[in-house]
Amino acid sequence: DIQMAQSPSSLSASLGDRVTITCRASQDIRNYLGWYQQKPGEVPKLLISAAGNLQSGVPSRFSGSGSGTEFTLTISGLRPEDIGTYFCQNYRLVPLTFGRGTKVELK
Amino acid sequence: QAQLEESGGGAVQPGTSLRLSCVASGFTFSDSGMHWVRQAPGKGLEWVAVVSHDGTEKYYADSVQGRFSVFRDNSRNSLYLQINSLRPEDTAVFYCAKDRGAGLTGYFYGLDVWGQGTTVFVSS
Repeated sequence: DIQMAQSPSSLSASLGDRVTITCRASQDIRNYLGWYQQKPGEVPKLLISAAGNLQSGVPSRFSGSGSGTEFTLTISGLRPEDIGTYFCQNYRLVPLTFGRGTKVELK
Repeated sequence: QAQLEESGGGAVQPGTSLRLSCVASGFTFSDSGMHWVRQAPGKGLEWVAVVSHDGTEKYYADSVQGRFSVFRDNSRNSLYLQINSLRPEDTAVFYCAKDRGAGLTGYFYGLDVWGQGTTVFVSS
């Protein structure tokens, strides 16, 4: 199975900060990588597909990059509504493993 | 507007069975691969199973292989998850989710529509 090592597990940042979350796959998944946001008490939401494609309606301060085994989600200018937990997901090979999540909090 | 609505969860005893359902609306259900994902209380997301758009291909997480069965009825726009021999560690919110693709030949493209989830609680 492909393991997804996501880091950090949590972070505290100020409004307006640039936030970076990393996901490392245990083997090459090309660009079959999605990023999800789950706000407290809400359902997960797909932010980015194919490692770097922003989903419709997602603010442009979110961006994704990477290919192969190293991937990054960046929030350029943290806003209060960005608070929540972020998950990466391999969908190159079954089982479609998720990272353990990164909890983003306000400092 | 694409929507998914799960049902069938509840409080059950270990060893029993449940069938979860998910009804889709607002998109062409028969075009999409469909997934089940679960989330234990206070934990992260765990992918459980997927079925291709036409029901011919099914894949499962190792942790549920042999106990869970995913299937669909495209005439009813419905997805199902049969869960047998329930264990306390199966306690979770179960979400159904739509793939951006058809889910054929093992290719997937991200889960872009999620239901609100149905809760399964397993305890004696």
